Amino acid sequence: QVHLVESGGGVVQPGGSLRLSCAASGFIFSNYGMHWVRQAPGKGLEWVGFIWHDGRHEDYADSVKGRFTISRDNSKNMLYLQMNSLRVEDTAMYHCAKDVNWSWDSWGQGNLVTVSS
Amino acid sequence: QSALTQPPSASGSPGQSVTISCTGTNGDVGGYNYVSWYQQHPGKAPKLIIYDVTKRPSGVPDRFSGSKSGNTASLTVSGLQAEDEADYYCCSYAGYNNYVFGTGTEVTVL
Repeated sequence: QVHLVESGGGVVQPGGSLRLSCAASGFIFSNYGMHWVRQAPGKGLEWVGFIWHDGRHEDYADSVKGRFTISRDNSKNMLYLQMNSLRVEDTAMYHCAKDVNWSWDSWGQGNLVTVSS
Repeated sequence: QSALTQPPSASGSPGQSVTISCTGTNGDVGGYNYVSWYQQHPGKAPKLIIYDVTKRPSGVPDRFSGSKSGNTASLTVSGLQAEDEADYYCCSYAGYNNYVFGTGTEVTVL
């Protein structure tokens, strides 16, 4: 049974940094690409970015490009999202999700990031 | 990348059918057969219900079906049940490892 658990969220001031983690279990983590998807309070879903199964390539939404970095440690079954230069509009629940056939078949429950002064 | 357009709300009585549209462009919905649909209950993580336009993951009831014509994809929920009341989001691959979601549709079972 696939299990994804995010952690590391909290309250941060505009311009600050935060790193989210996603612990994966129940599948061969190193075989799958992984994504981050966010949802602002009361709003819709927004794709944030993607990392290849082997960590050799990432892609990002224009809204976070140059500020966010996705990485992974396949030896620890861990996915990360480093968020720098945070803005108020980055306030959201952040979900990690497992890639399969250009969709996401497993999601974590999410971790809330609040950017506020 | 602009969000795909979905109606804000849809409703139907138990046993009826409801269809949700998802309109994009040639650069996303119309250009790839990689449209997926997600069901999200309040306070819960999204759940994959349709992928590759028409395919259902194991365990998803066959009451859920997907289709596409041109730049518009659609999700149909047949035989509405109370537990189908949720928010539904479409998503399309948009090339260059980018993805775009729909604006979301709130389905109410009357």
